[in-house]
Amino acid sequence: EIVLTQSPDTLSLSPGERATLSCRASQRIPSTYIAWYQHKVGQAPRLLIYGVFNRAAGIPDRFSGSGSGTDFTLTISRLEPEDFAVYYCQQYSSSPDTFGQGTKLEIK
Amino acid sequence: EVQLVQSGAEVRKPGESLTISCKGSGYTFSNYWIGWVRQMPGKGLEWMGIFYPADSDTRYSPSFQGQVTISADTSIDTAYLQWKTLKASDTAIYYCARPTSWGYFDLWGRGTLVTVSS
Repeated sequence: EIVLTQSPDTLSLSPGERATLSCRASQRIPSTYIAWYQHKVGQAPRLLIYGVFNRAAGIPDRFSGSGSGTDFTLTISRLEPEDFAVYYCQQYSSSPDTFGQGTKLEIK
Repeated sequence: EVQLVQSGAEVRKPGESLTISCKGSGYTFSNYWIGWVRQMPGKGLEWMGIFYPADSDTRYSPSFQGQVTISADTSIDTAYLQWKTLKASDTAIYYCARPTSWGYFDLWGRGTLVTVSS
């Protein structure tokens, strides 16, 4: 099973700042089988990024994904108040699919 | 509107059985996989397994194999997650979600809170 480790566990930033969230895999992820989700308490998780760098429908372009191999990054270029949430990465290259433990993005 | 609507919160005692549901609408339910994801209190997301309604192909994470049963009824476009014998450690929010053919989830339900307590 591929283990995904996200860092940091908590990221404290202010609106307007840039957020960089990391996701490291325990083994190489072939091709581009990484997705990112945003999750707010009491709501359904929302797909942000799939295939490492493809934005899902309706996702603002301040969200971007990058990376390859074992290291992947979600970047939010300028934080909006609605961006403060928990973010998860997922690998779907190897069964069972797995998620990272999440990064909580909180308002500083 | 394309959506997944999950059944309401449940409270059970250890040893009891339970089935929760997830109804798909706005798309051809039988043509898409449906999956379940667990979130234990204060924890992250865990991929439990997926089910293909058209042929009942089922794939479980080893962590959940034998612990739960995933099924669906295509006549009412509804997926199920079933426990025969609940444990306190099954207390969690359970999300149903629709995986694409690649594997990432593009549609999620709002979750069902399951509380198992004596």
